Amino acid sequence: GAVVSQHPSWVICKSGTSVKIECRSLDFQATTMFWYRQFPKQSLMLMATSNEGSKATYEQGVEKDKFLINHASLTLSTLTVTSAHPEDSSFYICSARDQVNTEAFFGQGTRLTVV
Amino acid sequence: SQQGEEDPQALSIQEGENATMNCSYKTSINNLQWYRQNSGRGLVHLILIRSNEREKHSGRLRVTLDTSKKSSSLLITASRAADTASYFCANAFSGGSYIPTFGRGTSLIVHP
Repeated sequence: GAVVSQHPSWVICKSGTSVKIECRSLDFQATTMFWYRQFPKQSLMLMATSNEGSKATYEQGVEKDKFLINHASLTLSTLTVTSAHPEDSSFYICSARDQVNTEAFFGQGTRLTVV
Repeated sequence: SQQGEEDPQALSIQEGENATMNCSYKTSINNLQWYRQNSGRGLVHLILIRSNEREKHSGRLRVTLDTSKKSSSLLITASRAADTASYFCANAFSGGSYIPTFGRGTSLIVHP
């Protein structure tokens, strides 16, 4: 199957700083990428959908100014958690969809801890 | 909600036994994927089954899909302690925006 690489796999940052998470499709062009968030012992909840070259579509309750998503190329999307707070500590995972096959493949996830 | 729902939420078995998990969904799908997540880790892709397929195998894993009942099952045969993890199904819906959505998962514990 196709490979989606997410980086970093874990990050610890101080409260008030910003953190950028990268999601790359390694062997296919991803016209659409999805960002999810997972709290402990819960399911993955969709945060936003991004299409290459356009603004992301955020799910209800997700602050677009706090979670900045950029999808500038067909192989890279980034999620920036701005002014992070301890309550932003969570597991973030991206998914990239191959437009041709309409299949979505997932990265390994990033565990963010804000101290 | 278009979310898939896994059943049971928790399953505890002895090593060597088979484990069966089910996933139900509400609308037509393009494909359905099963994932494993070890505690505190990322998702590991197990199997993708397309809407025109009824059964698929991969090693000790067997996935079935019944589109008429809008359900799928994941069978792990001869389970091992290393199979202990949470298992999720993710649906990619047809006729829409193909956004993969997850259920709450089944937490499997395999006792050695």
